Amino acid sequence: QVQLQESGPGLVKPSETLSLTCAVSGYSISSGYYWGWIRQSPGKGLEWMGSIYHGGSTYYNPSLKSRVTISLDTSKNQLSLKLNSVTAADTAVYYCARGPPAEYFQHWGQGTLVTVSP
Amino acid sequence: DIQMTQSPSTLSASVGDRVTITCRASQNINDWLAWYQQKPGKAPKLLIYKASSLESGVPSKFSGSGSGTEFTLTISSLQPDDFATYYCQQYSIYSDFGPGTKVHIK
Repeated sequence: QVQLQESGPGLVKPSETLSLTCAVSGYSISSGYYWGWIRQSPGKGLEWMGSIYHGGSTYYNPSLKSRVTISLDTSKNQLSLKLNSVTAADTAVYYCARGPPAEYFQHWGQGTLVTVSP
Repeated sequence: DIQMTQSPSTLSASVGDRVTITCRASQNINDWLAWYQQKPGKAPKLLIYKASSLESGVPSKFSGSGSGTEFTLTISSLQPDDFATYYCQQYSIYSDFGPGTKVHIK
C-alpha cells in the first residue's frame, strides 16, 4: 500500500521560497503514475498546484506557473515542491498525492501546514 | 481555466436521508470528473472517478452521474460518518476543484 508523507518548514518568511518534500513508501516513483501537489488555505477549498509524471514531465496551474517547481528524486523516492516569492496568501496545508496520469488523485499524504509570516 | 461550482454550499440533513450534491463546469469536461470526501483535519478521500465509477472500497451508497457540464453525487442513506465536506474535481484540462459542499447534521 503506497504511503505519502509531506515534510518541510512550518514557517516561511514573506518573499522567501517555500520548499517541501513528499516521501513515498510502498511504491517506486520511477515506476509510474502521476504525482501532484494540492493545497488548501485555512477554511478554504482545494487548489491543484501542479503535477509530474514518473518520467519527469511537469504540468502547473497557470495561476502559479511562474512561481512553482515540482521535481522527482528517484534516489530518495520522493517528490519536492518549491514555491518562490511567497506571501501570506500562500499560507495553507500542502498535500502531495498520487493518481493515474493527468487524472484524479487516489492516494494522499496527511498534509503539512505552512504559514507565511515575518 | 475551467470554473467549477457546487450547490448547495451547505446542506443540513438527517441520518437516513438521501442527499444530492450538484457540480457544474464552465465548459464541457465530458466525464472527466471526480468526487472527494474530506473530514476536518484529514486529507480528501476519493469516492468517485470518471463521473460515475466507484473507487475501490467505497460503499455503494455513494453514486455519481452526469456528463458534459452537470454532475451529481448522491448519498443514498446518510450515516453519521458521512457528515463531511464534498468536493468535485475536473481533470479534463489540467485540474480544478469545486468550492465544496458541507453536509452537516440537521
